[in-house]
Amino acid sequence: QKEVEQDPGPLSVPEGAIVSLNCTYSNSAFQYFMWYRQYSRKGPELLMYTYSSGNKEDGRFTAQVDKSSKYISLFIRDSQPSDSATYLCAMTRVAAGNKLTFGGGTRVLVKP
Amino acid sequence: ETGVTQTPRHLVMGMTNKKSLKCEQHLGHNAMYWYKQSAKKPLELMFVYNFKEQTENNSVPSRFSPECPNSSHLFLHLHTLQPEDSALYLCASSLNLALQGEQFFGPGTRLTVL
Repeated sequence: QKEVEQDPGPLSVPEGAIVSLNCTYSNSAFQYFMWYRQYSRKGPELLMYTYSSGNKEDGRFTAQVDKSSKYISLFIRDSQPSDSATYLCAMTRVAAGNKLTFGGGTRVLVKP
Repeated sequence: ETGVTQTPRHLVMGMTNKKSLKCEQHLGHNAMYWYKQSAKKPLELMFVYNFKEQTENNSVPSRFSPECPNSSHLFLHLHTLQPEDSALYLCASSLNLALQGEQFFGPGTRLTVL
């Protein structure tokens, strides 16, 4: 079993729809959770960073963490074609420092 | 140049060749990383350097040899690779190894081993 599971997609939505992405994980020691966005032929870039459980909002993006269920989510409101990319979740635990464990990524296509 | 740059962007090599990947960061960071990204697999951390010293080798085969001459430059020397080593190799940097330090990624080198 992988430490972090993420549906590879592709997830296709019409422009303006809400995109809902999620990851599940098995290691209860993970405390820091991140979402990266990776455009084709580019490296990943950090979108959201959350610590422990709860919600965090940044513009059109909302990240949620449910540690009791070992489940994290990313919501993109009012999706745009420019949001078409692969979204990677990543997480780490205190003992691992900055060594991240990534999910496999979900490819998202926002159609005009 | 800004951010993290990687050269070459594409590389095709035979199993008996020797080649090197180069990464340079212009962010004043002290920690640098090599990752491997294969199709349908999560990013795999390969090596970590902090202030030029290797702090992590994630059980990487010896046919991959990293070098970090200073905090701004990172190399990955390749020799006698296998076809299964074909992947996107990503370099990243962060200010340090602190838990909440954001990692900035380069665009990657797409490697094909014939």
